[in-house]
Formats: sequence, structure tokens, C-alpha cells
Amino acid sequence: GNSVTQMEGPVTLSEEAFLTINCTYTATGYPSLFWYVQYPGEGLQLLLKATKADDKGSNKGFEATYRKETTSFHLEKGSVQVSDSAVYFCALSDPNAGGTSYGKLTFGQGTILTVHP
Amino acid sequence: DAMVIQNPRYQVTQFGKPVTLSCSQTLNHNVMYWYQQKSSQAPKLLFHYYDKDFNNEADTPDNFQSRRPNTSFCFLDIRSPGLGDAAMYLCATSRDLGGWGITQYFGPGTRLTVL
Repeated sequence: GNSVTQMEGPVTLSEEAFLTINCTYTATGYPSLFWYVQYPGEGLQLLLKATKADDKGSNKGFEATYRKETTSFHLEKGSVQVSDSAVYFCALSDPNAGGTSYGKLTFGQGTILTVHP
Repeated sequence: DAMVIQNPRYQVTQFGKPVTLSCSQTLNHNVMYWYQQKSSQAPKLLFHYYDKDFNNEADTPDNFQSRRPNTSFCFLDIRSPGLGDAAMYLCATSRDLGGWGITQYFGPGTRLTVL
């Protein structure tokens, strides 16, 4: 079945540091890939997405590139801010999944990011 | 702005007292989902509606029910909340079920406390 693995957290950085959160996936088909962000006490917000190989999703200074050869979708940001402190979820949706997996999001376990001034 | 709205944001109920959480959407999406999220874990899908068709996850307790009276609204009913049901409940919508790039959009969540 499908699965998503994120790097272990929590991740603690100083302001203006470079951020990478690793995400790798296993899917039977050709999935769409997503990064969601959850700020404290809030719901999930779509941060970026990519639907085919070599697509780069970007938003708010964050980027992730769909790498089919390495089955990865790592999240990066060149200079983090205190306001980026949140939980980040990598997820996939497999349009070719059948049965009970059809149309569902498979989430990674989430990575807690804390940015200090 | 088109959005997913959840009310209330915070709900306190007593052990065993039925509670209803509300979700509405202005996106005119066909699919509405309910998730349960504990701590900072990944959300766990409880069920979803595709239009009027209800789809329950196999491991969702019978204590959890849902209603979708129209396209815009969906409700989560917890018939007899236990202490273990304290969690954040997230509503999400998507234009369709499956397909390339179909994206789920989440509401702000309702934090349920069970006393």
C-alpha cells in the first residue's frame, strides 16, 4: 500500500537558517504530492503541491520538487522566520489507488519545526 | 474568499453527553471529509461524503455519525463522548474524489474537550 515517511522531528533552527524537511513516499501509482502546514491551534493549510515528475511546488518561500527517481518530495526554505514555527505534513494522493484507498490522503507523521529569534 | 468554516472552534462537553460539530463550505465541492487529530499526529480519516453518498472508514467507532443535509453543510455527531474522544476534529473538502491533483482543503478545526 501507499506510505509517506518524513524525517524525525522536532527540528529547531535559528531565524534565517536554511530548512530541509525530508519526505519520501511509496505508492503503487503516480501520486500527487502535497505539503500541509499546521500552525498551533489551527487546521491544516495547503502549503504547496506537485502532480507530476520534476514539478516544483512553491509558496511563501517554501519549495519542493517531485522526484520520481528517488520517490521524494523534500521541503526547503532558504531563510526561515519565527512565524514558520508549525507542524509540517507531507501527504500523497494516488489517483490510481483502488478500493478503500481511492481518493484518500496518506499522511506522513508530521515534523514539528521551531524557529528561535 | 471561498473557504471551509467550522463551528464552534472550541467545544466542551461532558462524558456521555451527545455533541454535534458543524462544517460549512463555500467552495461548492462535492466531497466533504471528517478527520480526528490527536496531539500533533497525522489526521485520521473518520468518514467522507461524496455528494450524498456516505463512506465510513472501517475502524471508525459506531459512536461517530455524520449528516450532510445539503452540499454546503456537514455535521459530525458524537453520540456518547468518552475521554478518549477529546481531540481536534478537522473538516475538509475537495472538488472530486481521486483524480490528478485533487486537493483537500481544510477548515480551522474544532477542539473538543470531554470532562
